[in-house]
Amino acid sequence: KNEVEQSPQNLTAQEGEFITINCSYSVGISALHWLQQHPGGGIVSLFMLSSGKKKHGRLIATINIQEKHSSLHITASHPRDSAVYICAGALPSGSRLTFGEGTQLTVNP
Amino acid sequence: EPEVTQTPSHQVTQMGQEVILRCVPISNHLYFYWYRQILGQKVEFLVSFYNNEISEKSEIFDDQFSVERPDGSNFTLKIRSTKLEDSAMYFCASIEVAYEQYFGPGTRLTVT
Repeated sequence: KNEVEQSPQNLTAQEGEFITINCSYSVGISALHWLQQHPGGGIVSLFMLSSGKKKHGRLIATINIQEKHSSLHITASHPRDSAVYICAGALPSGSRLTFGEGTQLTVNP
Repeated sequence: EPEVTQTPSHQVTQMGQEVILRCVPISNHLYFYWYRQILGQKVEFLVSFYNNEISEKSEIFDDQFSVERPDGSNFTLKIRSTKLEDSAMYFCASIEVAYEQYFGPGTRLTVT
C-alpha cells in the first residue's frame, strides 16, 4: 500500500519554465513535507504543510486537505534547481515520515 | 544555523561485521529518526526515538539493529552482523516537536 504517491517520476524543463510536481497521500497523514535531495545524496527540508500554501523564494507549496493532494511549484526554473524532489507524509505528533518515490527534475540551460 | 551531523560519511565493511553509525542531532530537538535509502529506491523509515526509548520501528528494524543515545548528544545506529542488503545511505533526522525534520548529510554504508 503506497501512502504517498508522486508524479511525474522524471521531469525535464528548460530554464525559466514553471514547474509543478504533484503528490497524493492517504488518510491518516496530518502534514506533508517537501524535501530536496541533491546529487550527493543530502536531503534538505523545503516545506512542511498541514493547510494552505507556503512560499519561499521561487518555490511555492500548496495542499488541499479535502482532496489529499499537494503540489510543489517552481517559478522561473534554473539549472541549479536540478535535484530529486520528494514528498513525504507525517502522521500526527512527531511521527516518522513516509516517503514518495521522488521526482527527478532536470532543468536545462 | 544548527545542523544535524553524521559520521562517518562513508563506511565500508565486510559482511558479518558490526557497524556503528553516529549522529549528533540538533541540541534542543526531542524526536530522533533513522532512515535508509537503498541506491535507486525511495527513502524508508527505520526507527524513531523519543524520551530515551524507541517510539516506533519498521519491519526492517529487526534484531540486528539497535539504537542508543548514550550521552545525551550522540544518537547511534548499530547493525550487529551486516548483510549485503544493508548497503544503503543511512540518514539521521531530528525535530523539535511537530515541525520540519532536519536531516543529516547521511552515511553511505557499503557491505562487501
